[in-house]
Amino acid sequence: DIVMTQSPDSLAVSLGERATINCKSSQSVFYSPESKNYLAWYQQKPGQPPKLLIYWASTRESGVPDRFSGSGSGTDFTLTISSLQAEDVAVYFCHQYSTTPRTFGQGTKVEIK
Amino acid sequence: QLQLQESGPGLVRPSETLSLTCTVSGGSMNNYYWTWIRQPPGKGLEWIGYIYYSGSISYNPSLQSRVTILVDTSKSQFSLRLSSVTAADMAVYYCARKIADAAGGGLDVWGQGTTVAV
Repeated sequence: DIVMTQSPDSLAVSLGERATINCKSSQSVFYSPESKNYLAWYQQKPGQPPKLLIYWASTRESGVPDRFSGSGSGTDFTLTISSLQAEDVAVYFCHQYSTTPRTFGQGTKVEIK
Repeated sequence: QLQLQESGPGLVRPSETLSLTCTVSGGSMNNYYWTWIRQPPGKGLEWIGYIYYSGSISYNPSLQSRVTILVDTSKSQFSLRLSSVTAADMAVYYCARKIADAAGGGLDVWGQGTTVAV
C-alpha cells in the first residue's frame, strides 16, 4: 500500500496569513502515460463529509476559492491556503488514487491563531 | 444537482453483516465510479472500494474477503455489504462519486454519511 504522511498534524495560523500543509507518499503517484499526479486534497469540516478541493495535484475543483492551491510531483506535495479565512478551519486530507488500495493521509487540522 | 444518500441500520451485531445502500438522485450513474469510504470516530479516511456503473469492481485488499459492492442503475442505487463485523468496523460510512482518472479522478460528490455501531 502507498502510505501518505502529512505534516504537520495540526497548525494554527492568523487570519489572512498563509497556511502550508505537506503530504509525502511512500511511492510515486505520477502516472506517466497521462503525465498526471494522481493526488487530491480534501477539506472536512466537523460533522460534514469531505469536500474535494484539488485533483491532479494542482487543479482546483470548480467553485473552490483561488486562495487554495496545490503543488508538487512524484512523492512530495503541498496544499497552500494563501490567506486564511475563518471558514477554512477544518481538517485537510491528501489522497492518492494511482494504485489500489487508494489511501489517505492522516489529516492536518487547521485552526485560527 | 447530484445528491447521494446513505441508508441502512445504524446498529449491527458482532459477526453479522453490515448492509448499506446509497441512493443517487439528480443525475445519471453512467460513466462514474461509485465508492464507499469509512471514517472511524475521530480518525482518518479508509477507502473500502468502488464499482463502475457497468459493474467492474475494485476492493481494498484488507477488506476484500468480507466486502461486496453492487450497483443497480435501474434504481439509481449502489450498495455495500460487509460481513463478520467487529468493533473495528464501527465508523461513519460515506458513499461518494468518483470521476474517471482521465477526467480528474477526484471524489467530487459525497453523501452526508451514516454512522454504524457494532
